[in-house]
Amino acid sequence: QVQLQQSGPGLVKPSQTLSLTCAISGDSVSSNSAAWNWIRQSPSRGLEWLGRTYYRSKWFNDYAESVKSRLTIKPDTSKNQFSLQLNYVTPEDTAVYYCSRDVGAFDFWGQGTQVTVSS
Amino acid sequence: DIQVTQSPSSLSASVGDRVTITCRASQKIVNKNLNWYQQKPGKAPDLLIYAESTLQSGVPSRFSGSASGTDYTLTISNLQPEDFATYYCQQNYHTPLTFGGGTKVESK
Repeated sequence: QVQLQQSGPGLVKPSQTLSLTCAISGDSVSSNSAAWNWIRQSPSRGLEWLGRTYYRSKWFNDYAESVKSRLTIKPDTSKNQFSLQLNYVTPEDTAVYYCSRDVGAFDFWGQGTQVTVSS
Repeated sequence: DIQVTQSPSSLSASVGDRVTITCRASQKIVNKNLNWYQQKPGKAPDLLIYAESTLQSGVPSRFSGSASGTDYTLTISNLQPEDFATYYCQQNYHTPLTFGGGTKVESK
């Protein structure tokens, strides 16, 4: 059974960097058949896909245009996890953030992290 | 970007009812890359149906999915108390991956 365990702060100040980590058990971040995603949810934006990292003989990333200039998603093969780093956050980045495995559909999700951007 | 427009945004139903939720894509989604999720308050979404019509393991057979052109339908036959939740469609064909706006199924 795949499990995704999220960690990271719930409060971030405006203009600072949001960092979250998703630890994987039951699968590998280097899997050739999965992609590892970050998704957020807020009342104003609904469910919003942010981006993903995946390995197909080499590492690839895809990002949503809305956050592309501020977002980095990185795998960590030594710890079997992946991370999100969102720079220069504003109150509009306040949301519940989820990590998820994609095998053609998002079949496993992390528990979610409520992130509030406020001074 | 492929937009997926879900309707209705909410509905009221009773236990035993048949419920239909529709998702319309802004362009054709190839290879059946359309999925459905159920979400309950305070929880992450759960995968219900993938590839338009295939039930995820453990999902009751009262849930079904179908497609016609760019229209996709989730049907819940014989609605049960545990089915009151919000449902989302999602296209997995082309980045950015996108979700519908959700349909909240409430008790009448």
